[in-house]
Amino acid sequence: KQEVTQIPAALSVPEGENLVLNCSFTDSAIYNLQWFRQDPGKGLTSLLLIQSSQREQTSGRLNASLDKSSGRSTLYIAASQPGDSATYLCAVGIYGNNRLAFGKGNQVVVIP
Amino acid sequence: DTGVSQNPRHKITKRGQNVTFRCDPISEHNRLYWYRQTLGQGPEFLTYFQNEAQLEKSRLLSDRFSAERPKGSFSTLEIQRTEQGDSAMYLCASSLLDRVNEKLFFGSGTQLSVL
Repeated sequence: KQEVTQIPAALSVPEGENLVLNCSFTDSAIYNLQWFRQDPGKGLTSLLLIQSSQREQTSGRLNASLDKSSGRSTLYIAASQPGDSATYLCAVGIYGNNRLAFGKGNQVVVIP
Repeated sequence: DTGVSQNPRHKITKRGQNVTFRCDPISEHNRLYWYRQTLGQGPEFLTYFQNEAQLEKSRLLSDRFSAERPKGSFSTLEIQRTEQGDSAMYLCASSLLDRVNEKLFFGSGTQLSVL
């Protein structure tokens, strides 16, 4: 069974600092890896998708890397802003079925 | 593109009652998913439709749960004889692309509270 772990569970940073969020997964047989953002009481918004053959993806201040062999991904948010405060979820697409396996999330607070 | 719409946003019910949730995916999306999320946890997969066909179900989907997607458009998720353990956020997502490139678009969810 695919297990996805996100560390740290929660963190607070002052505005302007860079954020580094970590995700690890136990089974390297994945289609892709996605990072989502979730605001309290809301649904999920897809931020970045990395195919299993790719090493990283970038969008604006966000950069996500994937090391499939070691079962790790990192989401990097440059120059954090209070509007980045949210929970960030990592999810892997599992070979052989149509489901995503999610981590529990990194809860981020950016302090103005 | 109006996004994925879920109704109702909140549902409070008494234990033993039946509830039904609706999901309207993005119109051209042929793939539709239901997930369940409890506080402090990541979403857990419940079921998947491609067009009108229900192709995959999780073991989490007990006999009390049923999902449909008539005509490959909107979908409904029904829970019969609700239990307090069913209290959760029920999320619907849809997509169009192939599995490798697939980005899921989630609705805002239906928050179920069973008293």
